[in-house]
Amino acid sequence: GENVEQHPSTLSVQEGDSAVIKCTYSDSASNYFPWYKQELGKRPQLIIDIRSNVGEKKDQRIAVTLNKTAKHFSLHITETQPEDSAVYFCAASYDKVIFGPGTSLSVIP
Amino acid sequence: NAGVTQTPKFQVLKTGQSMTLQCAQDMNHNSMYWYRQDPGMGLRLIYYSASEGTTDKGEVPNGYNVSRLNKREFSLRLESAAPSQTSVYFCASSGQEPYEQYFGPGTRLTVT
Repeated sequence: GENVEQHPSTLSVQEGDSAVIKCTYSDSASNYFPWYKQELGKRPQLIIDIRSNVGEKKDQRIAVTLNKTAKHFSLHITETQPEDSAVYFCAASYDKVIFGPGTSLSVIP
Repeated sequence: NAGVTQTPKFQVLKTGQSMTLQCAQDMNHNSMYWYRQDPGMGLRLIYYSASEGTTDKGEVPNGYNVSRLNKREFSLRLESAAPSQTSVYFCASSGQEPYEQYFGPGTRLTVT
């Protein structure tokens, strides 16, 4: 079955710096790659997603890249702000969505 | 439009007790999912239902059963609770293709 790995497990950056989270997946049939943000005590919420026919997608300070050949995808957050502090999950999907273990991001003011 | 709702919000069970977690969505979504979330483990898929009348096992189905009662409702049952099932349980729904999942608020379950 699908397996999704995610690195790093924790990430601490200074406010204004960039943060990068990387994921790899195992099932070459996966065609949808969402990223979720989960604040403490709350439910996960989608922040950006990318489909397999696209190599890069950007939404303001957030961007995602996908390399289908290497089976890895990354989340880039620029100009980080304290409110970006949360746990971020990548996921890969074909018929069901499998999540990575998460990255706890701390943005230090 | 309530989105995805879950009941109860909190539950404490003794080992061996049974209970059913309820989930409902009002977005006319075909697919529904049950996840458990443990510290450092992310969200692990227990069961999912791609459409009314169908259910499939996810990554960690042992100890659980599900029922897709109708298009709106997807319940998760623990027949004989064990301390290892202490977790936060999230229900989610999505449209037909791999689309954004909408999560419920979660149920925090403790088994003593």
